[in-house]
Amino acid sequence: GEDVEQSLFLSVREGDSSVINCTYTDSSSTYLYWYKQEPGAGLQLLTYIFSNMDMKQDQRLTVLLNKKDKHLSLRIADTQTGDSAIYFCAERTNDMRFGAGTRLTVKP
Amino acid sequence: DTGVSQNPRHKITKRGQNVTFRCDPISEHNRLYWYRQTLGQGPEFLTYFQNEAQLEKSRLLSDRFSAERPKGSFSTLEIQRTEQGDSAMYLCASSFEGDFRFRGAFFGQGTRLTVV
Repeated sequence: GEDVEQSLFLSVREGDSSVINCTYTDSSSTYLYWYKQEPGAGLQLLTYIFSNMDMKQDQRLTVLLNKKDKHLSLRIADTQTGDSAIYFCAERTNDMRFGAGTRLTVKP
Repeated sequence: DTGVSQNPRHKITKRGQNVTFRCDPISEHNRLYWYRQTLGQGPEFLTYFQNEAQLEKSRLLSDRFSAERPKGSFSTLEIQRTEQGDSAMYLCASSFEGDFRFRGAFFGQGTRLTVV
């Protein structure tokens, strides 16, 4: 959606870190999310962050939030071929609005 | 609980026909969302319910679209007089709102609609 923007493609080598970026426009967003979608599958909630936090870590995933710049990022450490998918950023006030998704390709 | 369930998984219909999709949310979830996703795009918000109340509708939801959640549990999305542009994946998601246990919305597998 026009309220949430992401770069469309990212390619990394297996074992490297991936960083997927997202910007949003609604300063009243209360939660921000990252979802993963594999081919032919539904959206899987990976992680989320409250708007009053600036970082959240969950195993290989690190979410950084810069509320002043309305910038959200997802870092995947030690990226594996199984991480290849489309990653969606979403922001929420009352409803949830999604970006167009970043297609992550992991090369062996 | 097996998660959010959507039926049917696939629907092929002729232009001009009416179709109805069903979503069964996770049982304790009080919020239910409908989205539409086309190839290469992110999910587009259509509408959401808090319990049985429909709180917001997108401008994408023309008067041919109607959604209900009569008892605050399952929901239906009906499209009347389908058009080829309605071909898409229709996604349902649910969440629990109201306490600190909020964990985000969980999606079903979607219903893929093809209008021929």
